[in-house]
Amino acid sequence: GDSVTQMEGPVTLSEEAFLTINCTYTATGYPSLFWYVQYPGEGLQLLLKATKADDKGSNKGFEATYRKETTSFHLEKGSVQVSDSAVYFCALSGTSYGKLTFGQGTILTVHP
Amino acid sequence: NAGVTQTPKFRVLKTGQSMTLLCAQDMNHEYMYWYRQDPGMGLRLIHYSVGEGTTAKGEVPDGYNVSRLKKQNFLLGLESAAPSQTSVYFCASSPDRGEAFFGQGTRLTVV
Repeated sequence: GDSVTQMEGPVTLSEEAFLTINCTYTATGYPSLFWYVQYPGEGLQLLLKATKADDKGSNKGFEATYRKETTSFHLEKGSVQVSDSAVYFCALSGTSYGKLTFGQGTILTVHP
Repeated sequence: NAGVTQTPKFRVLKTGQSMTLLCAQDMNHEYMYWYRQDPGMGLRLIHYSVGEGTTAKGEVPDGYNVSRLKKQNFLLGLESAAPSQTSVYFCASSPDRGEAFFGQGTRLTVV
């Protein structure tokens, strides 16, 4: 079945540092790929998405590229801020019903 | 501009008690989902619905039942709560295979 593996956390960075959170997936066919963010005490919000190979999703300075050859969708940001502290989830949707398969989540803490 | 609304936000149950979690969406989405979130495990799909009057099992359906009598509502029921059902429950809706919109979550503790 479908699966998503994220890098182990938590990740602690200083403000303005470069961020990478690795995500790899296993799926049949051509899934859509997503990054969701969860701020403390809130539900999940879509951060960015990509629906086909080589697509790059971007939002709020975050980027991720759909790499079919390596089955990866790594999240990057060039300069993190304290306000980026949250839990980040990689997810895929491999069926027509929009069901999401999530990675385990990566806790990011950014210090001033 | 409510989006997806979950009721209640917090609940404490005793083992063996029953309860219903309500999810309401005002975006006219066909698809609705119930997930549970546990530490280190991400979100796991409990049940889902592809339209009014339909339901289907997800990854972890045991101990839960659902109903979708109206398009905008998706109810999750626990008939006899167990401590293993202590979790944060999220409802989501989606128009298709794209973005899912999530509620704020229900934190349930079973003692």
